[in-house]
Amino acid sequence: QPVLTQSSSASASLGSSVKLTCTLSSGHSTYIIAWHQQQPGKAPRYLMKLEGSGAYNKGSGVPDRFSGSSSGADRYLTISNLQSEDEADYYCETWNSNTRVFGGGTTLSV
Amino acid sequence: EVQLLESGGGLVQPGGSLRLSCAASGFTFSSYAMSWVRQAPGKGLEWVSVISSSGGRKAYYADSVKGRFTVSRDDSKKTHYLQLNSLSVEDTALYYCAKLVTGGFETDFWGQGTLVTVSS
Repeated sequence: QPVLTQSSSASASLGSSVKLTCTLSSGHSTYIIAWHQQQPGKAPRYLMKLEGSGAYNKGSGVPDRFSGSSSGADRYLTISNLQSEDEADYYCETWNSNTRVFGGGTTLSV
Repeated sequence: EVQLLESGGGLVQPGGSLRLSCAASGFTFSSYAMSWVRQAPGKGLEWVSVISSSGGRKAYYADSVKGRFTVSRDDSKKTHYLQLNSLSVEDTALYYCAKLVTGGFETDFWGQGTLVTVSS
């Protein structure tokens, strides 16, 4: 089954940009993933689906500041013009026919 | 507006059982696969189970819960269930109900969660 690897933490300044990475395990580099945001004390929120081609579809209400891209087995979430409310945990998710997997999450400090 | 409302969590002794419920509204429940995901205190998200749409003939589980947890759904009640048996302290977590997109691909909506605490 696929494994997703994320850096445990990242930090960036207000108004700047940050690029978070989710890496698919060997043999799974073409998999589609999803990105989710979990603000402190809240339930996760779906951000977007991201394909290996780099095409992405965002969920309803997700600000334009959030975008996705891909390179090989890496899937990226870029947040531009960082706001204080972007301080959160970010998880990637993937799936196959009978299992689903989450990455370990990246804690973003703004 | 899509809503998922979990209930049924609580404090239970090791070896005990609980049944979690997830009441859905705002979408055609029967048309969508549903999932349970848990989060232990201070930890990341862990997928638990998924059940197919339209009656739920197919269900799959994480290895950590296989044989102990059973997922089901009642499309007439728009409710998704998770039966938790033989609970251990390692099952202590916030359990989230989640809706999958058409085709059972990514998770596109999350409930607020219900807390299960396993302790003597």
